[in-house]
Amino acid sequence: NAGVTQTPKFRILKIGQSMTLQCTQDMNHNYMYWYRQDPGMGLKLIYYSVGAGITDKGEVPNGYNVSRSTTEDFPLRLELAAPSQTSVYFCASNPYSGETQYFGPGTRLLVL
Amino acid sequence: DQQVKQNSPSLSVQEGRISILNCDYTNSMFDYFLWYKKYPAEGPTFLISISSIKDKNEDGRFTVFLNKSAKHLSLHIVPSQPGDSAVYFCAAYGVGGGSNYKLTFGKGTLLTVNP
Repeated sequence: NAGVTQTPKFRILKIGQSMTLQCTQDMNHNYMYWYRQDPGMGLKLIYYSVGAGITDKGEVPNGYNVSRSTTEDFPLRLELAAPSQTSVYFCASNPYSGETQYFGPGTRLLVL
Repeated sequence: DQQVKQNSPSLSVQEGRISILNCDYTNSMFDYFLWYKKYPAEGPTFLISISSIKDKNEDGRFTVFLNKSAKHLSLHIVPSQPGDSAVYFCAAYGVGGGSNYKLTFGKGTLLTVNP
């Protein structure tokens, strides 16, 4: 049981490039989340999903897109990367709202 | 507008002593509070939680106290151990009113426990 896995661990992007951050969970959780953590700051919710095919915006969705075609996977897409998107990105999941969220190890992204 | 505030960026304590981490919130709609612990290069892990109908919850060395009238909660770690050295995040959510189980995090407090 791997829990929540994220790839890649680290990536450097040039301004204007795009990429997809992968997130997979093997716990059959309905809810999945994407957060970003900037230095010295708390985690901010980017997008979340309550089940396959259903996604919604969080606090800071601009510059990102998500999809949820399966229960297991919740990829985060960055189009036209900007330096302001330099951050650590965490994916999380839980079986239902209000249950404890389980976090992945994070993806460190540097946009230069 | 920061709805969950951890005003101490860092805290240093001696091994065996008590660590007290504080958290204040402004949103009256929050009715569930959680503490997460984060080691470097890892994701946050859940530590302990408390609902607004309680004023204390205990789990081994960890106790969370909630003062709803003051909109303040604290995490007590007794006795502190070097392995407790990590960043601690306070988080909260409300069941209704639009916040709908979405976690709001504080900025975190770096706890260092010195041997």
